[in-house]
Amino acid sequence: GESVGLHLPTLSVQEGDNSIINCAYSNSASDYFIWYKQESGKGPQFIIDIRSNMDKRQGQRVTVLLNKTVKHLSLQIAATQPGDSAVYFCAESSLRGSTLGRLYFGRGTQLTVWP
Amino acid sequence: DADVTQTPRNRITKTGKRIMLECSQTKGHDRMYWYRQDPGLGLRLIYYSFDVKDINKGEISDGYSVSRQAQAKFSLSLESAIPNQTALYFCATSDILETQYFGPGTRLLVL
Repeated sequence: GESVGLHLPTLSVQEGDNSIINCAYSNSASDYFIWYKQESGKGPQFIIDIRSNMDKRQGQRVTVLLNKTVKHLSLQIAATQPGDSAVYFCAESSLRGSTLGRLYFGRGTQLTVWP
Repeated sequence: DADVTQTPRNRITKTGKRIMLECSQTKGHDRMYWYRQDPGLGLRLIYYSFDVKDINKGEISDGYSVSRQAQAKFSLSLESAIPNQTALYFCATSDILETQYFGPGTRLLVL
């Protein structure tokens, strides 16, 4: 399954399928990006990050892809499990300048995994 | 034990009341943040602090104030609560590497 985080805020996938959650960012000066997972009733939890000198980074069952040309970020979750059901946020930041240390969050995508 | 704790976890108050939300962290981070989360709007930054002597306004600071009592403590106050401040509030911390770690949140209802 695939979604565009800002335009299709929900994504439903079957257990075992791969999920792709997309995010468009607006600031061309952003050079640091993070994906967070937020389960119901909990705070956002760090999943994976990537810096602008990379275009791909892999974690455990997750991969983040960065396309700076079109200012697009995606999170791929392999073999999606029921425990992956949550809202996923992308966030952007700059490691330089006046906005150093500030994160700007997208609106989130609700991922639902059904058996 | 949780690295970032928030108290209270839930709070109901009336319009015009002053309330304080507290945040403590054991991660040893210098940077602390307060966010507000509303349905469909993601997280918006209210205030942030890069060390004990540093306080900065975020996107939506009007109606809020903060106090950084120590490296580990950062409190958010609503001087005179109003109903549109009903929201979920999160505290976060980070080190110089920018990844922010969030607390469990405080659910606030202003009647």
